[in-house]
Amino acid sequence: GQSLEQPSEVTAVEGAIVQINCTYQTSGFYGLSWYQQHDGGAPTFLSYNGLDGLEETGRFSSFLSRSDSYGYLLLQELQMKDSASYFCAVLLENTPLVFGKGTRLSVIA
Amino acid sequence: DAEITQSPRHKITETGRQVTLACHQTWNHNNMFWYRQDLGHGLRLIHYSYGVQDTNKGEVSDGYSVSRSNTEDLPLTLESAASSQTSVYFCASSESRGRKAGELFFGEGSRLTVL
Repeated sequence: GQSLEQPSEVTAVEGAIVQINCTYQTSGFYGLSWYQQHDGGAPTFLSYNGLDGLEETGRFSSFLSRSDSYGYLLLQELQMKDSASYFCAVLLENTPLVFGKGTRLSVIA
Repeated sequence: DAEITQSPRHKITETGRQVTLACHQTWNHNNMFWYRQDLGHGLRLIHYSYGVQDTNKGEVSDGYSVSRSNTEDLPLTLESAASSQTSVYFCASSESRGRKAGELFFGEGSRLTVL
């Protein structure tokens, strides 16, 4: 089977930088996606890494190391609106996205 | 603008009743998915389809069925609702099986309560 591990909760200060880690144990790995979900809302796509390295999209960056089965989401210049749940998800061969259990990020003043 | 819509957004039903949740997308995506979300479990895959007349079981498919008669719709049916199926259900679609398969577009969700 496959497993994904990410912290259940993270708290960070407004304006700071926070990193949310994701480790996985899978077979047939293609890539790693990240999603954001505000309370009561739908998940929205943030990024996808199919190759090793860093992908940057504005204040958000995502990193993948296939050899370490590890990735992270980096949020810079944190804003109160970034308070949400963040999910990593693995794309596997012939299988739809498998999601982690999510990390609840609380941004405090 | 293209979108994906779910209905109903909220439903309360009784144990044993049949329930159908609708999902309609105008992205013209071949891939469509149903996930359920429960506290402590994240998003778990129920059923999915890679095209018309194609359906596949996911991780938690027992008690659910889907059909795909056209590109736009993937209705989810609970044959005999159980209290364990109380959950928030999300429909999603994606462009292809390649890199874009990692980018899912989600509907707003359907909150189902089974009493």
